[in-house]
Amino acid sequence: QLQLQESGPGLVKPSETLSLTCTVSGGSISSSSYYWGWIRQPPGKGLEWIGSIYYSGSTYYNPSLKSRVTISVDTSKNQFSLKLSSVTAADTAVYYCARRLEFDYWGQGTLVTVSS
Amino acid sequence: DIQMTQSPSSLSASVGDRVTITCRASQGISNYLAWFQQKPGKAPKSLIYAASSLQSGVPSKFSGSGSGTDFTLTISSLQPEDFATYYCQQYNSYPPTFGGGTKVEIK
Repeated sequence: QLQLQESGPGLVKPSETLSLTCTVSGGSISSSSYYWGWIRQPPGKGLEWIGSIYYSGSTYYNPSLKSRVTISVDTSKNQFSLKLSSVTAADTAVYYCARRLEFDYWGQGTLVTVSS
Repeated sequence: DIQMTQSPSSLSASVGDRVTITCRASQGISNYLAWFQQKPGKAPKSLIYAASSLQSGVPSKFSGSGSGTDFTLTISSLQPEDFATYYCQQYNSYPPTFGGGTKVEIK
C-alpha cells in the first residue's frame, strides 16, 4: 500500500524559507511515470495546487507561486521536497503531498504556521 | 486558469437521501475531473477520477458523470460516514484547480 508522509518545521518566520519533505513508502518514486505534487489548504479554506514534479525531474508550478517555489526529488531516499521562499502569514496552511495530477494518494498533511 | 464552480456550497440532508453535487468548469476539460471527500482534520480522499471512474476501495454508492464543462457527483444513499466536504478538481490543464467545496451536513 503506497503511503506518503510530510515532514518539516511547523513554524517558520516571515521572510524565511519554508522547507518540507515528502517520504514515499510502499513504492518507488522513480519506477513509474508519475507526477508527485504539493497542495496546500489555509485554515478553514479550500485547496490550492502548489506544484508537481515528474519522476524524470521536470517541474510544473502554479503561476501564482512560481517565483517562490522549488520542488525537487531525491530518488535515492524515495523523497521529494518543497521549498517556498519569502513566506508571509498568507502562507500559513496545511501542506499535503500527493501522487499524480488527479491526486490519488495523499499524505496526512502538516500544518505550517508563519509567525515571528 | 480554469475556474471550477461547485454548487451548492452546502446542503443539509438526511440519512438515506440521494445527494447530487454539481461542478462546472469555466472551459472544457474533457473528462479530466476528479472528486474528493474531506473530513475535518483529515487529508482529502480520492473518490473518482476521469469524471466517472471509481477509485479502488470506494463504495459504489458514489458515482460521477459528465464531460466537457458540467459534472456531477451523486451519493445514492447518504450514510452517517458520508457527512463531509466534497471537492471537484480539474487536471486537464495547468494549473490544476479545485472547486470551492460542498459541505454536506446532517439535517
